[in-house]
Amino acid sequence: DTGVSQNPRHKITKRGQNVTFRCDPISEHNRLYWYRQTLGQGPEFLTYFQNEAQLEKSRLLSDRFSAERPKGSFSTLEIQRTEQGDSAMYLCASSPSLNWENNEQFFGPGTRLTVL
Amino acid sequence: AQSVSQHNHHVILSEAASLELGCNYSYGGTVNLFWYVQYPGQHLQLLLKYFSGDPLVKGIKGFEAEFIKSKFSFNLRKPSVQWSDTAEYFCAVYPWAGGSQGNLIFGKGTKLSVKP
Repeated sequence: DTGVSQNPRHKITKRGQNVTFRCDPISEHNRLYWYRQTLGQGPEFLTYFQNEAQLEKSRLLSDRFSAERPKGSFSTLEIQRTEQGDSAMYLCASSPSLNWENNEQFFGPGTRLTVL
Repeated sequence: AQSVSQHNHHVILSEAASLELGCNYSYGGTVNLFWYVQYPGQHLQLLLKYFSGDPLVKGIKGFEAEFIKSKFSFNLRKPSVQWSDTAEYFCAVYPWAGGSQGNLIFGKGTKLSVKP
């Protein structure tokens, strides 16, 4: 399968714990995005990378959230001191380029986080 | 702020009925437009996209959408739905400004239930 993969698929943690999610984009896709989706809502943008550079962060991304893409390939999203409000599906997507007609995003299956 | 509105939260149809899901966006500039579908237990998949040219675009599985710039709309249609079309449908917009791309903005989604 050459699609976007995410691990783990499910994570249950206690409030106050740190969690880390991983995303492997489609090979050679330059751009990688993180979204959060809660029940009854569409995905909401969190941050994106162009290769290894993190170019934009949403105001939704509090100081407890950090994302990296150290070698321009896979990415990690870490949440420190989790809160119950962090419970959501965390989606990763990748796209091949920023070209006008080639910026379609391909989504992974998501990591569902439950904070108890 | 830019936003995407999907008018129907939940649509219930019988097989062979016609479908139209509404999508409106608030942005006066150039946009790329997308419809994504999420089948039960699966990840987001692209249904169709509009970049330029013919405002009537055709996607997979018999779906089509029409971009009406004057109405800021990108409604999704299918002449005859099947039980297998049961899924959640998300409209999404990429706003462009000054040659640079904004972030993909999603609507809240419309859940479609097709009765056999």
